[in-house]
Amino acid sequence: EAGVAQSPRYKIIEKRQSVAFWCNPISGHATLYWYQQILGQGPKLLIQFQNNGVVDDSQLPKDRFSAERLKGVDSTLKIQPAKLEDSAVYLCASSLEAGHRETQYFGPGTRLLVL
Amino acid sequence: ILNVEQSPQSLHVQEGDSTNFTCSFPSSNFYALHWYRWETAKSPEALFVMTLNGDEKKKGRISATLNTKEGYSYLYIKGSQPEDSATYLCALRNSNSGYALNFGKGTSLLVTP
Repeated sequence: EAGVAQSPRYKIIEKRQSVAFWCNPISGHATLYWYQQILGQGPKLLIQFQNNGVVDDSQLPKDRFSAERLKGVDSTLKIQPAKLEDSAVYLCASSLEAGHRETQYFGPGTRLLVL
Repeated sequence: ILNVEQSPQSLHVQEGDSTNFTCSFPSSNFYALHWYRWETAKSPEALFVMTLNGDEKKKGRISATLNTKEGYSYLYIKGSQPEDSATYLCALRNSNSGYALNFGKGTSLLVTP
């Protein structure tokens, strides 16, 4: 079974530029998550989708971050404009359903450096 | 945001040593505790999902225990090997967190030959 795919793996941009990340979850997984992991901290949930609907985006900085999952499969996360503090690893995860015991399967992440 | 604490922050052991880490969390409204292993440049790998007080799970040389009443979980590695070098993350789900995983900062383990 193929795992969660993410691209690009690395990205370096200057502040105020825009950037987009892509995620392809495990086939058949209804729930998709985007996490942000800043160096020295644990991953923090940015947004959760159930199929193509948003379940939780309470910690998404909506003035600059946006995400979509139009057909309920792939998802993109965009930052526009980027700030220095957005430097982090952006992890995408998926699970079969949204239950509390469900294992979330993670992709390898996109490492973003904002200069 | 839930306060999930992990200790120690980092650990350096010799090959063959056994080791353990701690994950502490609020005990109220508990649903589940997840353990992950994250090797550099790879995807975080799910190790265990623990839900019941007194749970003990094992995967090869790695095992974990759970105490939901006092709010802690231990992860044990028996006979550490260099390939065990990774960051070990625990993550909590309770009724206050919705379906999000609330992660600790992780314990970084280095096993040298």
